[in-house]
Parts: sequence; structure tokens; C-alpha cells
Amino acid sequence: QSALTQPRSVSGSPGQSVTISCTGTSSDVGGFFLVSWYQQHPGKAPKLMLYDVSTRPSGVPDRFSGSKSGNTASLTISGLQAEDEADYYCCSYAGSYTYVFGPGTKVTVL
Amino acid sequence: QEQLVESGGGVVQPGGSLRLSCAASGFTFNTNGMHWVRQAPGKGLEWVTFIAYDENNKNYADSVKGRFTISRDNSKNTLSLQMNSLRAEDTAVYYCAKGGPAAGGDAFDIWGQGAMVTVSS
Repeated sequence: QSALTQPRSVSGSPGQSVTISCTGTSSDVGGFFLVSWYQQHPGKAPKLMLYDVSTRPSGVPDRFSGSKSGNTASLTISGLQAEDEADYYCCSYAGSYTYVFGPGTKVTVL
Repeated sequence: QEQLVESGGGVVQPGGSLRLSCAASGFTFNTNGMHWVRQAPGKGLEWVTFIAYDENNKNYADSVKGRFTISRDNSKNTLSLQMNSLRAEDTAVYYCAKGGPAAGGDAFDIWGQGAMVTVSS
């Protein structure tokens, strides 16, 4: 159960796009289309932003999109807004009812 | 609305035990898998354990296997986590989370507010 790999931080100006990568192995990210992404503001519980790689739950803006290629999944935030500043975590199903998170990426809006 | 409320957190000595509970409301509890996810102070999220809607499938992170036990009472819409042989590294906010929203339930679509567990002498 090794953690996924994410960049420690990314930043962008309002209106720009940022992309966060999430790299795993063929046993997790590469083996299933079951990657999810979570947004967490300081002191708050995480919030589901994407599931099944690219599906947005009701209420999540379409500025958030996801994709996957091989063992790497990505979250893209388009038209960056001030309220998007938060920590973002990827998570993948890893088989046998186990799951693994990435270490988180801090998104800063300049 | 869908809601999860954790309780039972506190301070415990190394080697001690603690039981967390999570009360669910606003959704059909007995048709959803449930998880516990924890977050050590200043650190990232760590998946801890899963239980299927009917308790027929469970699994645990290697870091807690053999020490933690997940259970549920569908008649009371309650999820529990029994934590034994606690270590300092178990200190964290523990979140209960509902598996969803797709049919497979392999994401965590509803989260509680978290319960703080501190293991310290």
C-alpha cells in the first residue's frame, strides 16, 4: 500500500489553468478507472470533486476536469478562482477493497 | 440532507484502546459501503478501513491491520471503529466517509466533521 505521487504545490493566477498529476502503479491508478479527487480547505473536511477519473458530482463546477493515462491521473482546474485555493488529494482503488491516497498538492492562487 | 457525525475521540495512552462511532442520517445507510479515513496533524489523508453494506467484505490499511476493527449496525445507522494497541503515530483526525456516489462506491462522497484521537502519555 504505497502512497501515490503528487507535486507538493502548484500555483496560477486567476483565470489561468493548473494541472495536478497523480502517479501510481499498475496495481492502483493504472489498473482501475477508479481515481477520485478531493478538495480540502484548512480546518475543513475533504470534499469530493471528481470520481471514476473524470465524473463530477452534482454541484462541482465544470472548471474541474480529470483524465488518466497509464499510471498517471490528472486534475485540471480551468479559470482558476480565489476559492480554489486549497489542498487537493487524489485517491485510487488498489484492489481487494483497499484504497490509497496521494500526499496532497497545495494550490495557490497568485 | 446526507450527514455523518463522528463521536468518541479523545486522549489515550500508548497501548490503550478507544472506540469511535459515526451516526449516519439522510441516506439509506444499509445500502452503502463505509470507510474510515484519517489525517495526522499537518499531514495528508490516509485511508484506514472499509466495510461493505452487508459486512461481508472488510479490509484495512497495513498500518492498522490486526489492531483496528470496523463494524456497523444497520438497524441503528451507525458505523464503529474499535482501535486497540494504540500508538503515537495513530494520532489523527478520524473521518467516517460514505462510499459513493457511483454504484461501485469507490469514492468517498459524504464526510463527517472528524473526531480527534490523540495518543500520548
